[in-house]
Amino acid sequence: AQSVTQPDIHITVSEGASLELRCNYSYGATPYLFWYVQSPGQGLQLLLKYFSGDTLVQGIKGFEAEFKRSQSSFNLRKPSVHWSDAAEYFCGASKIIFGSGTRLSIRP
Amino acid sequence: EAQVTQNPRYLITVTGKKLTVTCSQNMNHEYMSWYRQDPGLGLRQIYYSMNVEVTDKGDVPEGYKVSRKEKRNFPLILESPSPNQTSLYFCASRSLGGHSYNEQFFGPGTRLTVL
Repeated sequence: AQSVTQPDIHITVSEGASLELRCNYSYGATPYLFWYVQSPGQGLQLLLKYFSGDTLVQGIKGFEAEFKRSQSSFNLRKPSVHWSDAAEYFCGASKIIFGSGTRLSIRP
Repeated sequence: EAQVTQNPRYLITVTGKKLTVTCSQNMNHEYMSWYRQDPGLGLRQIYYSMNVEVTDKGDVPEGYKVSRKEKRNFPLILESPSPNQTSLYFCASRSLGGHSYNEQFFGPGTRLTVL
């Protein structure tokens, strides 16, 4: 069955530190992969998406993600987090399969 | 402004009292869908619609109904709500035209509590 796994429920990083949120997928073919961010009390905003081509994808707000077929992963990265990045992040595949989310807290 | 709107944003109701959550989009999108978000489970699709009068079940359709009489509106109906339907609900829409992997636009969410 198709699935998306986000192994980290909650991550805390210091402001200015680098960030990596993990995402693994189980899918027959190369899926359409995406990351959404949900700020407190807000809807979901698309950060970035991957379908084909360059495996390193740049998104909004300074985020990037790398598709690694050999590891079935699509991890989200940011070199230096800001306090405003505190939110819940959802990885997903094929537009309707979402991971369970990773809540990001920022330590001042 | 292009957007998906949902009403109400917050709702507390009692078991068995029928309710409707409205969803409207102004982007002329063909595809609309409803999700529920629960802690530890992420977002799960309830129902979706590919166009007017075309609806289909998602992963968790039990206890819900939808209708798509107009392209812009996609209401979610709970005929007899139960406490296990307490959740955060999101409506979303996207275009089916052009590139086949178009971004989904989400509404702000409706927090429903069923007592």
